[in-house]
Amino acid sequence: QKEVEQDPGPLSVPEGAIVSLNCTYSNSAFQYFMWYRQYSRKGPELLMYTYSSGNKEDGRFTAQVDKSSKYISLFIRDSQPSDSATYLCAMTNTGANSKLTFGKGITLSVRP
Amino acid sequence: DADVTQTPRNRITKTGKRIMLECSQTKGHDRMYWYRQDPGLGLRLIYYSFDVKDINKGEISDGYSVSRQAQAKFSLSLESAIPNQTALYFCATSDLGGSSYNEQFFGPGTRLTVL
Repeated sequence: QKEVEQDPGPLSVPEGAIVSLNCTYSNSAFQYFMWYRQYSRKGPELLMYTYSSGNKEDGRFTAQVDKSSKYISLFIRDSQPSDSATYLCAMTNTGANSKLTFGKGITLSVRP
Repeated sequence: DADVTQTPRNRITKTGKRIMLECSQTKGHDRMYWYRQDPGLGLRLIYYSFDVKDINKGEISDGYSVSRQAQAKFSLSLESAIPNQTALYFCATSDLGGSSYNEQFFGPGTRLTVL
C-alpha cells in the first residue's frame, strides 16, 4: 500500500460546481497536510496547508483533515475555469529532516 | 524574475548519453530537491540536499547523481540515459522556518526525452 493514495481522475465539472478532492494515507506520523496546484507546463505551487486535524478556509477553498480516518479533502466552491489544473496532496512528519510525500495528483477541468 | 530556475527547459537526448540538468535559486534556501513526474505516478523524490555538504538519496535515485555546487545551485546528472528516464523533472527548494511545515517552491520543470 502506498503511503498516500489519491484518485488519479481526471475530473470534469461544470463552472459553478462544488468540487471535492480527496487523499487517504497510512502513516499516522504525518502532521502537516498540503495541497499543491499545478497548471499545465508549470511547477506545483502551494495552495493550502493544514496542521493536524481540522478545517482551514481560504476564499473558495477549504481544506479538511481527519486524522482519525487518515483522510484529507480539498473543497472548491463556485469552481471557475481558472481552477482547471492538477491538484496534488502532500504530507510530512514534524521534525527537522521531514520530507514531503506526494499523492499522484488529480487533473481537474472546469467547463465554462 | 523567477526564484527557482531550471535549465534546459526541454531536452531530447539519445540512449547512453550523459546529461546534466541544472537548478539555481535566489530564495536563499538551504534545502534543495530533485523530483521526477510521470503520468499516473505523481512526483517522486530522486535526491535532496539540506545544505551544501549534505546529499541524500530519495525514493528513486538509481541511475542518477547530483552535485550541490553552492547553496544556490543543485545539479542532477544522468550518467547514461535510458528511455524510461523520459519524464518531467522538477527542482524545488525549501527553508525550515519558525514552524516545521515544509513549503517547497518548485521550478518550472525540465522536459527530458530519451530516445
